[in-house]
Amino acid sequence: GENVEQHPSTLSVQEGDSAVIKCTYSDSASNYFPWYKQELGKGPQLIIDIRSNVGEKKDQRIAVTLNKTAKHFSLHITETQPEDSAVYFCAAIGASVLSGGYNKLIFGAGTRLAVHP
Amino acid sequence: DAGITQSPRHKVTETGTPVTLRCHQTENHRYMYWYRQDPGHGLRLIHYSYGVKDTDKGEVSDGYSVSRSKTEDFLLTLESATSSQTSVYFCAISKMGLAGGVSTDTQYFGPGTRLTVL
Repeated sequence: GENVEQHPSTLSVQEGDSAVIKCTYSDSASNYFPWYKQELGKGPQLIIDIRSNVGEKKDQRIAVTLNKTAKHFSLHITETQPEDSAVYFCAAIGASVLSGGYNKLIFGAGTRLAVHP
Repeated sequence: DAGITQSPRHKVTETGTPVTLRCHQTENHRYMYWYRQDPGHGLRLIHYSYGVKDTDKGEVSDGYSVSRSKTEDFLLTLESATSSQTSVYFCAISKMGLAGGVSTDTQYFGPGTRLTVL
């Protein structure tokens, strides 16, 4: 079945360094890849997403890259700050359409990022 | 927060009791979802709804039922709670759309309900 693997599970960086989180997906027909940030005690919040017709997308200090051939996509955070500390989830949407036109969203297991001052 | 509220935010209950969690949205979205979040498993879909009275199972639906009698409310019921259902439950809505020729399913999450079954 469809699967998304996420690495690393934990990541510790110094403030100002870059952080990279990588995900691989199994369904070659996947066409939408969102990233979520979850702070302690809160629900996941969408921070950036990329579609299969684009190779890279940037939003200030955050960027996401997609390699469709290798079936992997990555989140890059530059100039990290303590407020970037959180759990980050990648996800991929499959091409199979379920009841009601729903395309299943499959999540990675998450990466706990700690940014140390 | 996409206008999503969940109630209660915290609940402690005993094994064998029924529990109902409520998700309420204010933006009239068609699609609503219930997920559970457990360490090492990320977010797993329990049930989803694509309209009033239209629901279907997700990957971990055993022991759960849902109902949607109004667009704005999606209820999750644990028919007889077990300790394995201790988890954090998130409701989500999606703003289905088509962008750049690629279908999207951007989901937005509520604040969550922490459920403990003793």
